[in-house]
Amino acid sequence: LAKTTQPISMDSYEGQEVNITCSHNNIATNDYITWYQQFPSQGPRFIIQGYKTKVTNEVASLFIPADRKSSTLSLPRVSLSDTAVYYCLVGPPSGGGNKLTFGTGTQLKVEL
Amino acid sequence: GAVVSQHPSWVICKSGTSVKIECRSLDFQATTMFWYRQFPKQSLMLMATSNEGSKATYEQGVEKDKFLINHASLTLSTLTVTSAHPEDSSFYICSAHQGGGHNEQFFGPGTRLTVL
Repeated sequence: LAKTTQPISMDSYEGQEVNITCSHNNIATNDYITWYQQFPSQGPRFIIQGYKTKVTNEVASLFIPADRKSSTLSLPRVSLSDTAVYYCLVGPPSGGGNKLTFGTGTQLKVEL
Repeated sequence: GAVVSQHPSWVICKSGTSVKIECRSLDFQATTMFWYRQFPKQSLMLMATSNEGSKATYEQGVEKDKFLINHASLTLSTLTVTSAHPEDSSFYICSAHQGGGHNEQFFGPGTRLTVL
């Protein structure tokens, strides 16, 4: 599975847009990019998944350049409740019975 | 949405005892379930993949005789930590895959195990 590199931590303020970038230079042709959110003492929660270009849902956007060697999770107008660890995963689609490999994640801290 | 539960949410036990953790898919049938372990301030580490009706597949370095996994039905997988020791204290999380072309794994809330 492709290895991912993310910043260990990021700080932001309420109302700002937060962009977390993940590098995955060895991404394979069949690999998807998936982001999960985890609060302390809770299981991860699926945020978004994409293969190329841009994907948007009700909580986030995922930007993937043409070479797919990196991706950026964009959280619009963050609030205190967005303080969590965000994991970038690269591999087969998160379903399909495929095992997931979690990297170190990015600890996002949102302040007033 | 699909919900996965775990029981218990936390457990404290004495060294040498065995502890069973249940993972249930509440509103869907899970063909595959996964078990993870997470130590404080660290990422999730996959322990094993559990398929209904067959033996679990363990990741390298995970002792299958110590971490017994049973996936007897499409809605329940259990992880038994046998002869637990303080170093087994961790946060154990399961995830479930629905199958049938669905493209997402759903995670349980986790179980905090503390071995005294």
